[in-house]
Amino acid sequence: EPEVTQTPSHQVTQMGQEVILRCVPISNHLYFYWYRQILGQKVEFLVSFYNNEISEKSEIFDDQFSVERPDGSNFTLKIRSTKLEDSAMYFCASSDYGYTGELFFGEGSRLTVL
Amino acid sequence: SQKIEQNSEALNIQEGKTATLTCNYTNYSPAYLQWYRQDPGRGPVFLLLIRENEKEKRKERLKVTFDTTLKQSLFHITASQPADSATYLCANPGDGSARQLTFGSGTQLTVLP
Repeated sequence: EPEVTQTPSHQVTQMGQEVILRCVPISNHLYFYWYRQILGQKVEFLVSFYNNEISEKSEIFDDQFSVERPDGSNFTLKIRSTKLEDSAMYFCASSDYGYTGELFFGEGSRLTVL
Repeated sequence: SQKIEQNSEALNIQEGKTATLTCNYTNYSPAYLQWYRQDPGRGPVFLLLIRENEKEKRKERLKVTFDTTLKQSLFHITASQPADSATYLCANPGDGSARQLTFGSGTQLTVLP
């Protein structure tokens, strides 16, 4: 069964460092997303991406965040200068329909900022 | 702004019983609601979607209802099994577009053998 894969599974970084989280969405999907979940809290929307551009972004997704689809398969989330409060599980997801389509989530990348 | 609330953080039931989880929303009725399962340390897994013009949707032992008058969705697992133990999340499009899901905080279900 096709799946969304994410790397790394866990990354530890120092505050102020840049981090890139990588995702390979399901191959025939057109819509890509990043969500995050701080430990013990809700899953929160960060950004959606379609046709090589951002469709929507939340208030969390400020200038420190960026997304890119550098080739036909990878979808990346970059955090330019990490803060302690960026520590969370980051989930990539993809869907084949932008409206009502079920989201297929990856297993997540746990980011720990020290 | 639209809020989505799941009424209990934790629910314990005996194996074989029916688990019923509640999701309430405020303000306007969303076009649809989705339900996901999340196991510890893992990503959410889609279970069911119900649209506002559907009263009920079923999939194997799962059933979801949508009551726009009560602003509520109920999620039922019949003949529950210990393997059903997980956190169940409801989600709707919230205030943004349909591509921006707002998740509830989840209900942690434990099915006791």
